Amino acid sequence: NAGVTQTPKFRVLKTGQSMTLLCAQDMNHEYMYWYRQDPGMGLRLIHYSVGEGTTAKGEVPDGYNVSRLKKQNFLLGLESAAPSQTSVYFCASGGRVDTGELFFGEGSRLTVL
Amino acid sequence: GENVEQHPSTLSVQEGDSAVIKCTYSDSASNYFPWYKQELGKRPQLIIDIRSNVGEKKDQRIAVTLNKTAKHFSLHITETQPEDSAVYFCAASNPLSGGFKTIFGAGTRLFVKA
Repeated sequence: NAGVTQTPKFRVLKTGQSMTLLCAQDMNHEYMYWYRQDPGMGLRLIHYSVGEGTTAKGEVPDGYNVSRLKKQNFLLGLESAAPSQTSVYFCASGGRVDTGELFFGEGSRLTVL
Repeated sequence: GENVEQHPSTLSVQEGDSAVIKCTYSDSASNYFPWYKQELGKRPQLIIDIRSNVGEKKDQRIAVTLNKTAKHFSLHITETQPEDSAVYFCAASNPLSGGFKTIFGAGTRLFVKA
């Protein structure tokens, strides 16, 4: 039982390049989330999904797209990377309707030059 | 939009002392308030949570209090130990149709000096 797995864990991009971060969970959770973590700013919600085929915008969605074609996977895409997107990205999943507890992946460190 | 404010941003205490972190939230619909601990280079992990129908909850050395009227909640750590050193995040969760939307505070970096 791996929990929440993110790939890749590290990536360096040039401005304007595109990439996709993959999040996979094996806990059969309905809800999945993408956060970014920047110094002094905590965890900010980018996009989230409440079930297969659904996505919604969070606090800072601009410049990102997401897809949830399969229940276990939640993809985060950057179509044209910018230096402001340099961050650590965390995926999380949740399955309990009574508490909303989140289970996080290990994080993906992205640097945009 | 929803907002969670957290204070202080940095807290330094002597081993054995208590530490208190305070948060306020803006969305009245929030009904679940978790606290996460993130050690250096690791992922955030839940340490304690409280629901809106409860005013206080304790788990060994940690406790949380909630004042729904004032939209305040706090984390209390007693008898702090060096291994308590980490970044702590408060969060407020808004129930969705079929899920939760969780907004985090900016975090408090706690240093426990031996």
